Amino acid sequence: DIQMTQSPSSLSASVGDRVTITCRASQSISTYLNWYQQKPGKAPKLLVYAASSLQSGVPSRFSGSGSGTDFTLTISSLQPEDLATYYCQQSNSSPRTFGQGTKVEIK
Amino acid sequence: QVDLVQSGAVVKKPGASVKVSCKASGYTFTDFAVHWVRQAPGQGLEWMGWITPNRGDTDSAQKFQGRLTLTRDTSTNTAYMELSRLRSDDTAIYYCARVVGGSGFFEWFDSWGQGSLVTVSS
Repeated sequence: DIQMTQSPSSLSASVGDRVTITCRASQSISTYLNWYQQKPGKAPKLLVYAASSLQSGVPSRFSGSGSGTDFTLTISSLQPEDLATYYCQQSNSSPRTFGQGTKVEIK
Repeated sequence: QVDLVQSGAVVKKPGASVKVSCKASGYTFTDFAVHWVRQAPGQGLEWMGWITPNRGDTDSAQKFQGRLTLTRDTSTNTAYMELSRLRSDDTAIYYCARVVGGSGFFEWFDSWGQGSLVTVSS
């Protein structure tokens, strides 16, 4: 199974800050990597697919990059509504696997 | 608009089975696979398996094989997840999700159900 490791596990940042979350795969997954946002008590929501394509309707402050084993999700200017846990997920092979999540808090 | 509506919360005893439904609307049900993902309390997301509604093909994570049954009813546009021999660590929110994608291995979960809480307790 491909292991997905996110860092950090949690972070606290101020409104307007640039936030970067990293995701590392245990083997190369090309760009078969997606990012989801899960707000408290809600189902996950797709943010970025295929490593760098922004899902329709997602604010442009979110962006994704990377290929192979190393990926990043960036929030260019953190907003209060970005309070959530963020997960990466690989679709390169079965079983599909998720990272353990990164909890983003607002200072 | 695409909508996945799941069945409600249930409480089951250890050793019992549970069947969760996921009713799709707003798109052609047989055109997209449905995946199941669960989330234990305070924990992350765990992929369980998928079903293709047109052919009924399935795949599941090895840890669930023998306990997990995925089915669908194309007449009602509903996918089902049945988990047997329940244990306390199966207590979780169970989500269904529609998968879309491009060529090759490009696929992503673009729509999710609201989740179904399954509590396993004696």
